[in-house]
Amino acid sequence: SQTIHQWPATLVQPVGSPLSLECTVEGTSNPNLYWYRQAAGRGLQLLFYSVGIGQISSEVPQNLSASRPQDRQFILSSKKLLLSDSGFYLCAWSLLALSYNEQFFGPGTRLTVL
Amino acid sequence: AQSVTQLDSQVPVFEEAPVELRCNYSSSVSVYLFWYVQYPNQGLQLLLKYLSGSTLVKGINGFEAEFNKSQTSFHLRKPSVHISDTAEYFCAVTWGMDTGRRALTFGSGTRLQVQP
Repeated sequence: SQTIHQWPATLVQPVGSPLSLECTVEGTSNPNLYWYRQAAGRGLQLLFYSVGIGQISSEVPQNLSASRPQDRQFILSSKKLLLSDSGFYLCAWSLLALSYNEQFFGPGTRLTVL
Repeated sequence: AQSVTQLDSQVPVFEEAPVELRCNYSSSVSVYLFWYVQYPNQGLQLLLKYLSGSTLVKGINGFEAEFNKSQTSFHLRKPSVHISDTAEYFCAVTWGMDTGRRALTFGSGTRLQVQP
């Protein structure tokens, strides 16, 4: 069966510091991968998605970036965090072969920028 | 652009009462519809999905939803809620022709608060 991991689970970082959040998927090959952010009391905002290694699409311009160095690994990064980067970050995957894009979510990372 | 609307940001309800969470979307051409639930500080879990066939879809935890093409709606219902149903509920849609983007469009969420 497929599983998705995210780490760390929680993170407290000062403004201006770098960020690296990691997501890995097990039990499937060539998945679509997604990064979402939830600000406090708000809905889901799609940040990036990837349909293959090295292929990243950005949905919202910001100081975050994403990379996919391996088929089942998706990394969210920042060189300098802003206060507004605080939130709950969710990684998700879906099967490329399925047109309806049912997505499976990881447990999330709670990021607090102080 | 395609959109998903969840009109109710919060729905308070007493335990054992019925509940309906509303979801409308912008176009009914080749849609696939989902409801997800999110418990505090957790990821999203799929409740149910409509891909084709019967318009009444049954999911986990006693929830069901009905696809209404003419009203472009996919409302979520449960005949009797429990305290444990307190969570955030998200409606999501993907459109069959949108194969390039390969992403779900989510509503803003509805917080269901079940009171004793």
